[in-house]
Amino acid sequence: GAVVSQHPSRVICKSGTSVKIECRSLDFQATTMFWYRQFPKQSLMLMATSNEGSKATYEQGVEKDKFLINHASLTLSTLTVTSAHPEDSSFYICSAPPRGKVADTQYFGPGTRLTVL
Amino acid sequence: GENVEQHPSTLSVQEGDSAVIKCTYSDSASNYFPWYKQELGKRPQLIIDIRSNVGEKKDQRIAVTLNKTAKHFSLHITETQPEDSAVYFCAANPLGSNYQLIWGAGTKLIIKP
Repeated sequence: GAVVSQHPSRVICKSGTSVKIECRSLDFQATTMFWYRQFPKQSLMLMATSNEGSKATYEQGVEKDKFLINHASLTLSTLTVTSAHPEDSSFYICSAPPRGKVADTQYFGPGTRLTVL
Repeated sequence: GENVEQHPSTLSVQEGDSAVIKCTYSDSASNYFPWYKQELGKRPQLIIDIRSNVGEKKDQRIAVTLNKTAKHFSLHITETQPEDSAVYFCAANPLGSNYQLIWGAGTKLIIKP
């Protein structure tokens, strides 16, 4: 099946620093990737839709200048949390539907646990 | 826009019994309804899905039913086992939403030995 990887799996950083998270589709192309944030015991909250070759679409309430998204190729999307603060600590997960599929399975990355001290 | 409600938030069943989780959606144009299982600290895993042109789908101990008129769909797990313990999420994919999923709040399923 399709595989999505995320790196790093876990990161601890100091308040005020920036953290970059990579999401890669390993064996398929993805023109669209989704970035989610999940707080403990809560559902997945969609942050933004990453589109290859164009600007990301952000959900209401998500600051685009704080959560920078770059989808530079058909297999890689990055999320940069700029000037991270403790309230940004969360589980960040990306997902991608294989290119050409219509309303089909989304393959999830393993997630990145971000802890901001 | 689409809204998905999921019940119950927690479900505790005896091992071997059946478990049923229900979701309702608001957008009648939604056409794809997956169910995901998430274990603690891990990624959601697709366990079964159903499309709007089908009323029921079964895969071994897991089944999903869809009632388009009432706009609700349900997950049924029979002969539950300890490894079924996890959080289960339903989702809906509104037509024309470019694969975006609208998620339910999740159900924590506890299988009692």
